[in-house]
Amino acid sequence: NAGVTQTPKFQVLKTGQSMTLQCAQDMNHEYMSWYRQDPGMGLRLIHYSVGAGITDQGEVPNGYNVSRSTTEDFPLRLLSAAPSQTSVYFCASRAWEGGFYEQYFGPGTRLTVT
Amino acid sequence: KNEVEQSPQNLTAQEGEFITINCSYSVGISALHWLQQHPGGGIVSLFMLSSGKKKHGRLIATINIQEKHSSLHITASHPRDSAVYICAVVESQGNLIFGKGTKLSVKP
Repeated sequence: NAGVTQTPKFQVLKTGQSMTLQCAQDMNHEYMSWYRQDPGMGLRLIHYSVGAGITDQGEVPNGYNVSRSTTEDFPLRLLSAAPSQTSVYFCASRAWEGGFYEQYFGPGTRLTVT
Repeated sequence: KNEVEQSPQNLTAQEGEFITINCSYSVGISALHWLQQHPGGGIVSLFMLSSGKKKHGRLIATINIQEKHSSLHITASHPRDSAVYICAVVESQGNLIFGKGTKLSVKP
């Protein structure tokens, strides 16, 4: 299994540009999520999905859209990038294993908005 | 007030020292994770626990549900243990709430 993959690894955008961060997992996990990590702060939940066709907002959803058309893919869209969205973005999935939800994280995407 | 607090924020140790990182939380949880993030950025899960104690190699994690507190211990620390250690709790809807992390540096 490749686990959770994210592309791109690095991205620089200008204010107002749009882009999609890709996330895919090959473990058939129903639950997937997006987090952002900023200096001096813990990871914060942006959006999550409990299965194909179902998405919900997390703690910091403004400025981001998601969709879940398949179990494998959970892209994160920035419609009009702002400097405040400069961050490292992590996609994750989870599975019920041994009585707990085990978390699997992607390698992250470092986004800079100028 | 942060719902998950970690201490210390930064920790420098000499190789071989016993290390303790603490995590306190203020919300009801179903489980707690300890995660490790290396300088390259990747995050891996070290432990999940909801009671008692777990051990994996030189790492030990404990949790006291009544006191809403967990600790991560590293015995015989090594420079390769240098990383950010993150505590994350599983809240009622199953989502994670993260602490800010503890940056550990182990000097040879």
